[in-house]
Parts: sequence; structure tokens; C-alpha cells
Amino acid sequence: EIVLTQSPGTLSLSPGETATLSCRASQSVSSNYLAWYQQKPGQAPRLLIYGTSRRATDIPDRFSGSGSGADFTFTISRLEPEDFAVYYCHHYDSSSTWTFGQGTKVEIK
Amino acid sequence: QVTLRESGPALVRPRQTLTLTCSFTGFSLTSTGMSVSWIRQPPGKALEWLARIDWDDDKYYSTSLKTRLTISKDTSKNQVVLTVTNMDPADTATYYCARLYANRWPPTALDVWGQGTRVTVSS
Repeated sequence: EIVLTQSPGTLSLSPGETATLSCRASQSVSSNYLAWYQQKPGQAPRLLIYGTSRRATDIPDRFSGSGSGADFTFTISRLEPEDFAVYYCHHYDSSSTWTFGQGTKVEIK
Repeated sequence: QVTLRESGPALVRPRQTLTLTCSFTGFSLTSTGMSVSWIRQPPGKALEWLARIDWDDDKYYSTSLKTRLTISKDTSKNQVVLTVTNMDPADTATYYCARLYANRWPPTALDVWGQGTRVTVSS
């Protein structure tokens, strides 16, 4: 079973700064099956990025993703107040079991 | 409009079986590439994927929980049901269902989620 490890656990930044989040898989995975979600308190997760770098519908272009093999990066440029939340990576290969990372909290510094 | 809604008991006793229902609108689980998953989140903790059922009735389960989980679908009712046996206080969580529709490449991941249902396991 693939394990996803996210880092850092918490990122303290100010509005307008850039957030860079990491997701490392325990083995190489297809970049077609790596997604990122945002979750705010009391809400269900929201899909931001799928297929490593493709933005979901209506997601602003300040959110971006990249990576390959076992190392993936999620970036939020120019942090807005509404971007402070917890972010999860997710591996969703259709032929296997799925897994989520443990999350990275982006908090206001 | 695609929606999903979870329903089930808010309180379950230890060792009981939990049955959760995901009722959905706006899509059909008979469409090629469609799937519905269950995911849970204990209070203050991370998301945990539990199970998935595909349009062709293929089923996948979390490795750590597979002996306790059963997922099924009723396409005539637009529902997916998850049962979890031998419930424990550690299973206290918010349980979500979510959809993936692999109608493009690459597949768009879990693009629509229910609002979740909170389940507490306590005697």
C-alpha cells in the first residue's frame, strides 16, 4: 500500500506570501492520479488539483501543482485570507486502493 | 446538479454494525467511469479513505479495514451503502461519501463530496 507523507505539518505565512507544500509517496506513482484538496473547519474537502497539475473547475490560477515519480509539490501564490486551511494530497489510481496524506495546515503568521 | 448526502445513526454502541447510506442526484452509477467512495475523518485528524465501488461493481477496500467493511450499490435508488462491523470508539468520525467520474484524462479525482455525517461510538 502506498503511503503519502506531507510536509511540513504546519506552515505559518502572511497574506500575499507563497505557500509551498510537499507530498512524498512511499514508491513511484503515476502523476495522472495525484490530487490536492482544501479543507476548512466544519466543511467537506474541496478538490483543487487533479492529475498532479490540472486545476479543478473554478479554481483560481494562484493554486498550482507539479511533480513526478514520488515527489509532488503544491503551491499557493499570493496567499489570500480565504486560503488559510488544511491541504491534503491524495493518490487515486483506479486499479488499487487509495490513500490520503496526513495534511498540511497553512495558518496565518 | 450533482449532490451527495450521507445518512445513518449518529450514535452506535461498541461492537455493533454501522450502516451508512449515500444518496446521490445528478449522475448515475451505471455510467462508465463513475465511482463512489467513502472517506472518514476522526475529530481533529486526517482524512482516511475507506472503500470505493465502481460503475461495473468492482469494489476496493482500505487494506487496514477490509475485513470490517462492505460496500454495495442500488442503482435503482441512486444509493451506495457502507457497513462497518464491530464498531469501536476509535471509529468515531465524520463519514463522507464522494464521487469520481473518470470521463476525461486524467481522471478528475473526488470532485463532489457530501457534507458528511458524524458518527460517535460510545456505550
